Amino acid sequence: DTGVSQDPRHKITKRGQNVTFRCDPISEHNRLYWYRQTLGQGPEFLTYFQNEAQLEKSRLLSDRFSAERPKGSFSTLEIQRTEQGDSAMYLCASSLDSGGLGYTFGSGTRLTVV
Amino acid sequence: DQQVKQNSPSLSVQEGRISILNCDYTNSMFDYFLWYKKYPAEGPTFLISISSIKDKNEDGRFTVFLNKSAKHLSLHIVPSQPGDSAVYFCAASRSGSARQLTFGSGTQLTVLP
Repeated sequence: DTGVSQDPRHKITKRGQNVTFRCDPISEHNRLYWYRQTLGQGPEFLTYFQNEAQLEKSRLLSDRFSAERPKGSFSTLEIQRTEQGDSAMYLCASSLDSGGLGYTFGSGTRLTVV
Repeated sequence: DQQVKQNSPSLSVQEGRISILNCDYTNSMFDYFLWYKKYPAEGPTFLISISSIKDKNEDGRFTVFLNKSAKHLSLHIVPSQPGDSAVYFCAASRSGSARQLTFGSGTQLTVLP
């Protein structure tokens, strides 16, 4: 088990384009989280899955953002019509129900919108 | 509205001395608190946590103290080592929130050899 894997590590896109990120959690973890981190700030919660069900979404997650977790395994986060304000590090984390809140984070996908 | 605040963006400490990182919160509904460490180009790594029913939790060189009346927690690292140099994030959560975490803005700790 190599931990939480995120792909790609870096993405540069032009404003208005769509982008999709992938997260592969630790295999036995049933909870999956997406966070966003901008420079000089801590991570901010975006959304949460319990198995394949998306149970919570932050108001930060505008209608341009959509996340899926088919079959309760990997997850994708798509941003449509990207804006410069979307430039950030997108972090995925996973945990077990009884994991004591010690999420395991991936290394993140750094998005730059030009 | 920042519910979790880390007012010191940076801290420098000599190797072998104690590092004290501070964190304040405003939401009295928070009942679980965590510290994460982050190295450049890596995701945050869980370090230590504390439930609101306790006021202290120790794990090796790391101790977290919680003062609920002051809504304040601190992380003590003794003795500090150069490998501890990283950004430290304080985070909090509350029951029934699917355990989403609210993070502070982080403190860059530099341990000088």
